[in-house]
Amino acid sequence: NAGVTQTPKFQVLKTGQSMTLQCAQDMNHNSMYWYRQDPGMGLRLIYYSASEGTTDKGEVPNGYNVSRLNKREFSLRLESAAPSQTSVYFCASSVQQQMNTEAFFGQGTRLTVV
Amino acid sequence: QQQVKQSPQSLIVQKGGISIINCAYENTAFDYFPWYQQFPGKGPALLIAIRPDVSEKKEGRFTISFNKSAKQFSLHIMDSQPGDSATYFCAATISGGYNKLIFGAGTRLAVHP
Repeated sequence: NAGVTQTPKFQVLKTGQSMTLQCAQDMNHNSMYWYRQDPGMGLRLIYYSASEGTTDKGEVPNGYNVSRLNKREFSLRLESAAPSQTSVYFCASSVQQQMNTEAFFGQGTRLTVV
Repeated sequence: QQQVKQSPQSLIVQKGGISIINCAYENTAFDYFPWYQQFPGKGPALLIAIRPDVSEKKEGRFTISFNKSAKQFSLHIMDSQPGDSATYFCAATISGGYNKLIFGAGTRLAVHP
């Protein structure tokens, strides 16, 4: 039971470099999400995808882009990394039914931008 | 603007004691209030959740109390155990709103033996 799988687990980037964080889920969920977690700020939604083929901005989208490649995969891209993007990134997925709103999270990607 | 405010930031409880974490929300359209538990190096996992049509929900040692008029809800952990040491997040969302969870800032709980 893999659930939500994120790669890589750790990454160090230099300012201005680009990278893509990968996420895949095997639960046949419709909706997928990218959050960032910073000390004292909880988790904040970057982007989400309600269903395959759609994406939309969350609370803190600036500096990021996303791609919903298919129903299983949702990637997050940093085009030009900045130190302010140092954070732990979590991908999540959910069934998206009215009475079933549990979100399942991956184990996170710890990103440091120097 | 923080839509979900959580307190305290950290909490130390002795084994067997009661841990209480409080949250307050702004948006009256929120209708689903989950609590997530996160262990170091892991992603958050759903612990317990409540909808505003009930004032309390209990699952084992974990209880959510909900006060709709005050726009507040809280997590009570009875008989706290060292294995409960984790970070706890309250959250809120609107059902049918693509499950965009709005999280509180988190509470780091340490249960001492």
